[in-house]
Amino acid sequence: AQSVSQHNHHVILSEAASLELGCNYSYGGTVNLFWYVQYPGQHLQLLLKYFSGDPLVKGIKGFEAEFIKSKFSFNLRKPSVQWSDTAEYFCAVYNNNDMRFGAGTRLTVKP
Amino acid sequence: KAGVTQTPRYLIKTRGQQVTLSCSPISGHRSVSWYQQTPGQGLQFLFEYFSETQRNKGNFPGRFSGRQFSNSRSEMNVSTLELGDSALYLCASSQQGSEKLFFGSGTQLSVL
Repeated sequence: AQSVSQHNHHVILSEAASLELGCNYSYGGTVNLFWYVQYPGQHLQLLLKYFSGDPLVKGIKGFEAEFIKSKFSFNLRKPSVQWSDTAEYFCAVYNNNDMRFGAGTRLTVKP
Repeated sequence: KAGVTQTPRYLIKTRGQQVTLSCSPISGHRSVSWYQQTPGQGLQFLFEYFSETQRNKGNFPGRFSGRQFSNSRSEMNVSTLELGDSALYLCASSQQGSEKLFFGSGTQLSVL
């Protein structure tokens, strides 16, 4: 079965700092890739997704992610974080009716 | 359009008991998947149902089971509860399973 690894358990940044959250997956075939976000007290919701085409995908709230097939990676980035970005971020990989999530990265943005 | 509805919202059980959790997907969604969320472990996949058939199963013991009804509603059952089963159980629905998932609020299960 495929697996998803998120490198950072907890990231603490100051407002306006740049963000990059790592995500690597184990499956070598064709996959669909996702980042989900869970704001405090809210449901998990989709941030962005990659199915095919341009490997640099843009999501909501200024987030983007780059799919690098050779590295089996799908890292999440944002040039300048805001206090409201404080949340838990989950990378997910879908293949063959199987959706797997990483352990999550908790992001704390200090005002 | 109503979102994914999970009941009950909170549940407290004791070791050895069994529990049934319910999930009503968004209307028109045929895929329902279940996840266990615990601090530090993230979301661990339990199983996915599509049109009343289990399409995929995660690495959980047989005490965890589920089913899906003809109206796409799904139930998850955990028998012989253990302390380690305490977690937030999330249900997610989608039209086919491969695209955007819509999550419910979850059922917070505490096993004493």
